[in-house]
Amino acid sequence: QKEVEQNSGPLSVPEGAIASLNCTYSDRGSQSFFWYRQYSGKSPELIMFIYSNGDKEDGRFTAQLNKASQYVSLLIRDSQPSDSATYLCAVKSGGSYIPTFGRGTSLIVHP
Amino acid sequence: GAVVSQHPSRVICKSGTSVKIECRSLDFQATTMFWYRQFPKQSLMLMATSNEGSKATYEQGVEKDKFLINHASLTLSTLTVTSAHPEDSSFYICSARGRGWTDTQYFGPGTRLTVL
Repeated sequence: QKEVEQNSGPLSVPEGAIASLNCTYSDRGSQSFFWYRQYSGKSPELIMFIYSNGDKEDGRFTAQLNKASQYVSLLIRDSQPSDSATYLCAVKSGGSYIPTFGRGTSLIVHP
Repeated sequence: GAVVSQHPSRVICKSGTSVKIECRSLDFQATTMFWYRQFPKQSLMLMATSNEGSKATYEQGVEKDKFLINHASLTLSTLTVTSAHPEDSSFYICSARGRGWTDTQYFGPGTRLTVL
């Protein structure tokens, strides 16, 4: 059973701070890692994906992958109230074209 | 990015009726479509995967006779919830992937089903 674990939160950060969201996974064969943002009542939208160990930056977002420790994280710099949402981590192994989703972490950015 | 639409966005029905949800890829050919269900504060649960022109593959525990999936064309897949009951009330989301796409999938806006 492939598992993707996330702290449900909520994670509350002040506006302008760095929000750090973490995700661990059980399948060592995982090769593709995704972060989705889901606003309440809406469907998920892809923010970032990462394949290799290390950091990948896109604007205010940085994804960090550590395959040895089996975790992937998402950093949001200069957090804004509009970033308040649930962030879903998804992991896909090389032998599958279907990712496994975590339950998501609720992020609240307060002014 | 590619656009996926779903219709209806919200539906309320009586227990025992059937509800059809449509998922369309608007600007690409979706060789594979996925149907998910999401209960409040829960993760996305994959229900089934459908490839154009072939029968859907259902995840364990999902009743194929209750959740009928048809992927008749490269731009349309439908999910029919037959004889719906209150426990079927949920947020149903489709996603679609184009030919040759290995990782990317685009989600539709979702359909909120409420069964009274």
